[in-house]
Amino acid sequence: NAGVTQTPKFQVLKTGQSMTLQCAQDMNHEYMSWYRQDPGMGLRLIHYSVGAGITDQGEVPNGYNVSRSTTEDFPLRLLSAAPSQTSVYFCASNDPGAYEQYFGPGTRLTVT
Amino acid sequence: GDSVTQMEGPVTLSEEAFLTINCTYTATGYPSLFWYVQYPGEGLQLLLKATKADDKGSNKGFEATYRKETTSFHLEKGSVQVSDSAVYFCALSRSDYKLSFGAGTTVTVRA
Repeated sequence: NAGVTQTPKFQVLKTGQSMTLQCAQDMNHEYMSWYRQDPGMGLRLIHYSVGAGITDQGEVPNGYNVSRSTTEDFPLRLLSAAPSQTSVYFCASNDPGAYEQYFGPGTRLTVT
Repeated sequence: GDSVTQMEGPVTLSEEAFLTINCTYTATGYPSLFWYVQYPGEGLQLLLKATKADDKGSNKGFEATYRKETTSFHLEKGSVQVSDSAVYFCALSRSDYKLSFGAGTTVTVRA
């Protein structure tokens, strides 16, 4: 069991570029989430999904897009990168009714 | 809305010292409470949890008690080791798809 995997581990973008952060889980969890981690602010929810084909916004969704075509994958798209999106991004998954979330190792993104 | 406040770090301790990290929360109803730990270069992993008032969560020598009357969930360990050096996050959840996190407390344990 690989658990939750994320790629890439590190990425540097220029302002205005777009990219996709990949997230996959092999635990057959229905729920998946994306968080960003910023110093002094903990983790904040960007988007989440409660099943294939179903997504919704979290606290800080602006500038990000998600889709969920399969149970396993939940990619996060940055449409036009901005320096304010410099952060560490974590993907997480869990089962309905199970409050414990399982986190991936994170992607460190720098936008210059 | 829901919020979690935890003590600011960084916290630096010697091995075998007592560790306490304060955490208080604001939420309606009866949230579940968690402590997550992030070791250097890794993602977060659940350390312990409590789902109702007066519950005590415990794991790896760490403990925290859900105190409804003081809206608190303080983390304690009686004797820390160098391997406990990490960032600790207090979190709450009122649903099974959203966690609200505190800012995190960096703990460094020196040999």
